[in-house]
Amino acid sequence: QVQLQESGPGLVKPSETLSLTCTVSGGSTGNYHFTWIRQPPGKGLEWIGYIHSSGSTNYNPSLKSRVTISVDTSKNQFSLKLNSVTAADTAMYYCARGTYYDPKNWGQGTLVTVSS
Amino acid sequence: DIVMTQSPLSLPVTPGEPASISCRSSQSLLHSNGYYYLNWYLLQPGKPPQFLIYLGSNRASGVPDRFSGSGSGTDFTLKISRVEAEDVGVYYCMQALQTPLTFGGGTKVEIK
Repeated sequence: QVQLQESGPGLVKPSETLSLTCTVSGGSTGNYHFTWIRQPPGKGLEWIGYIHSSGSTNYNPSLKSRVTISVDTSKNQFSLKLNSVTAADTAMYYCARGTYYDPKNWGQGTLVTVSS
Repeated sequence: DIVMTQSPLSLPVTPGEPASISCRSSQSLLHSNGYYYLNWYLLQPGKPPQFLIYLGSNRASGVPDRFSGSGSGTDFTLKISRVEAEDVGVYYCMQALQTPLTFGGGTKVEIK
């Protein structure tokens, strides 16, 4: 059974770069879309964007200027970088694998707090 | 962006009784291929979000058959035929017709 696990710093300072990695185990990273989604405390879910294993990407316009998603199929990992973070970027960050229209396997999520 | 609106916000349920959650989109979710690009997810504390329904009415692998999705155009429904205690959590609909993909605000299902 495929499992995804997010990893990265739980605390990031304002104006710095948030960097997270998602490791896929029990399944491949070939010919899938890999998605990042976040949920600020007490709020709803927000789609950040996805990358296909081929390298093509699609980002939420609201974050596009600050986001980079990359994939390393040899390591079964994909990553999220969000730069110039503010307190508004404090959220639970989830990674997911599937097609672009149905991210079906999700990680448990990792809480990232932006604070000095 | 397509706006997704769920109701109710909170749904107290009695085990064994049915439950229904509504999801409305600001525009039709019908793709040119004839499918509705609408998914349902369940978020529970301490667990990875669970994928329940895709393309409007298809149950994901391993999802109990007490869960069903239906709807067309802009109106969709998730039904639980007989609620069990393990079904508590927050349910979200998500449209995948256009990017950015967008979610409803969530419906919290709790046991009475």
